Amino acid sequence: QSVLTQPPSASGTPGQRVTISCSGSSSNIGRKTVNWYQQIPGTAPKVLLYSDYQRPSGVPDRFSGSKSGTSASLTISGLLSEDEADYYCAAWDDSLSAIVFGAGTKVTVL
Amino acid sequence: EVHLVESGGDLVQPGGSLRLSCAASGFTFTDYWMDWVRQAPGKGLEWLANINQDGSEMFYVDSVKGRFTVSRDSAKSSVYLQMNSLRPEDTAVYYCVRGLLDGDCFWGHGTLVTVSS
Repeated sequence: QSVLTQPPSASGTPGQRVTISCSGSSSNIGRKTVNWYQQIPGTAPKVLLYSDYQRPSGVPDRFSGSKSGTSASLTISGLLSEDEADYYCAAWDDSLSAIVFGAGTKVTVL
Repeated sequence: EVHLVESGGDLVQPGGSLRLSCAASGFTFTDYWMDWVRQAPGKGLEWLANINQDGSEMFYVDSVKGRFTVSRDSAKSSVYLQMNSLRPEDTAVYYCVRGLLDGDCFWGHGTLVTVSS
């Protein structure tokens, strides 16, 4: 059981908007920032968003993030076939003194 | 260009030990925390440990405390993960990561550890 809760799957057709949630608690998301990672099958993950909503250089602006209370979300606007991947949220947890990941959400482009 | 190259993954028997290495280049090694993350076959990501810039502070996930030790050598721009008392459930691809929670987070390609008799 992961400390951060994500839906196992999400899907959409090309051009649609897909939102992935990440639910935590007051010891992690409630007081710490969230990062999001994208992992295309067979490759190493890469950072997609940091500090809740910031995009590293090179990440398309169709990826956006938000946070409210103990939950965060990743939105992909204008879904492309190349966005088919696994997406993970992560944050520092003060109670565990550890970084915790969500179990990951597999995004399928229909 | 930033590079993180992991090595040391192998097939090891249960109860055995292994030391993973991660050679860093292309950035100022002493500016960053370094993390180890693993991914069991077909499973999600699991953070294992990290170490601060000068090696004076380390954190571990509970499941590896007392068995795994993270260290770094600034002269060699390398970070290590010493793994003892290995179990079949430690079978995974092990990734070295520069600053997992940073905006310029960077992942290595990983090294496979298989624990089996």
